[in-house]
This record gives sequence, structure tokens and C-alpha cells, in this order.
Amino acid sequence: DSGVTQTPKHLITATGQRVTLRCSPRSGDLSVYWYQQSLDQGLQFLIQYYNGEERAKGNILERFSAQQFPDLHSELNLSSLELGDSALYFCASSVAGPDEQYFGPGTRLTVT
Amino acid sequence: EDQVTQSPEALRLQEGESSSLNCSYTVSGLRGLFWYRQDPGKGPEFLFTLYSAGEEKEKERLKATLTKKESFLHITAPKPEDSATYLCAVQALRNYGQNFVFGPGTRLSVLP
Repeated sequence: DSGVTQTPKHLITATGQRVTLRCSPRSGDLSVYWYQQSLDQGLQFLIQYYNGEERAKGNILERFSAQQFPDLHSELNLSSLELGDSALYFCASSVAGPDEQYFGPGTRLTVT
Repeated sequence: EDQVTQSPEALRLQEGESSSLNCSYTVSGLRGLFWYRQDPGKGPEFLFTLYSAGEEKEKERLKATLTKKESFLHITAPKPEDSATYLCAVQALRNYGQNFVFGPGTRLSVLP
């Protein structure tokens, strides 16, 4: 158990819908990272937050957005969902920098 | 464009049969190289961070090394519980934050 929690574990929704994925980092960690893992694309970095502020952006689509709240939990919002958005979404946290990231168990999103 | 490749794609070893996994990278502004282990359906588990060519790190049966163009993960006398997918990732500095690029992974099976 990494200490990072993600909810929900599974999510099934229809194309065009909007969903919110939630992540609670390990106690004391200030940085949160979001990743998407699909069979054909592998693990892709989406975005990083540090202490409530956006720190870095990767391959995040404009339909996706994220935020980190004052209690340090983070949410990833996915809108206008497409079939290709079906994937495992992981959240990771670290104390500050990315040197040692701890990953959560992931949320499996299925878009039908 | 930042790129990470890993070889072999899959590797089957007998218990006790040592081997090496390769990670080759092309990135400008390398900040760090990471190795993770991922079990099926779970989040990646952090193993090592390497920062500069010539650096080596060890943990139990695993040893990671780094050159200017590639990294190796050496597995000595592996056991069945070492079976997993091993992911290599690089952190590249950007004008805005950083970018993390993961390789496709090497799927390791250790047979008893």
C-alpha cells in the first residue's frame, strides 16, 4: 500500500459525458501527478500540481482539467468523453520534486 | 522530441538466471532517470532514480546503472516474485516545469 488513495476504482460512462476522478496523496506529500495508461499508448504524464499550484503539463487534452485543493487532494475532470479515453488513470504523489513518486491503485475508466 | 525505448519487450528467465534490461533514451535537458516495477492491475512501484552518467544504485537483487544514452537494470539470481513489468522513465526540464516520458516496459517472467 503506497498511501495514495484514488476513487472510484472503476467508472463506466457513456460518450459525451463528464467524470471526476479523485486522489488523496500520502500524508506530507505536496506534489500530485496524474497519468493515463492505455494499452496502445503506455503510461502518459498529464499534469503536476505542487501545493495547490499547477507546476507542469504533459500530454493533457483540453477536454481534461485538474486542480489541487487546500487540503492537497486533487481532482481530474474529464469532459466530452470519447471511446479513446478509456484507460487506467493513475495519481502519484511525492514530497516535493518528482524523484520518488508513489502511485495510487488507479481508476479504470470505461467509456461506452 | 523526448523518447524512451526499452528492450527486450518480454523476457523469460529461469529462477537464478541473471540478466539485464535496457532503457535507451533521447532527451534534451535530462534531469533524472527512473525505474519502476508494475504488477498487473496495480500502480507502478518506485525502484530507483539516477541523475548522472556513471551513477549506480542497488536494491536487493536489482542494480541500476546510467550512461549518457542508456540505462541498464541488472537482475541477479532472480526469483519468481521478481516477475513484473519494469518501466523506465526520464524527466526532462522544460521552460515550464518538466516532462515525464515513460518507456513501454519490459515484461519479465521468472520461472521456478
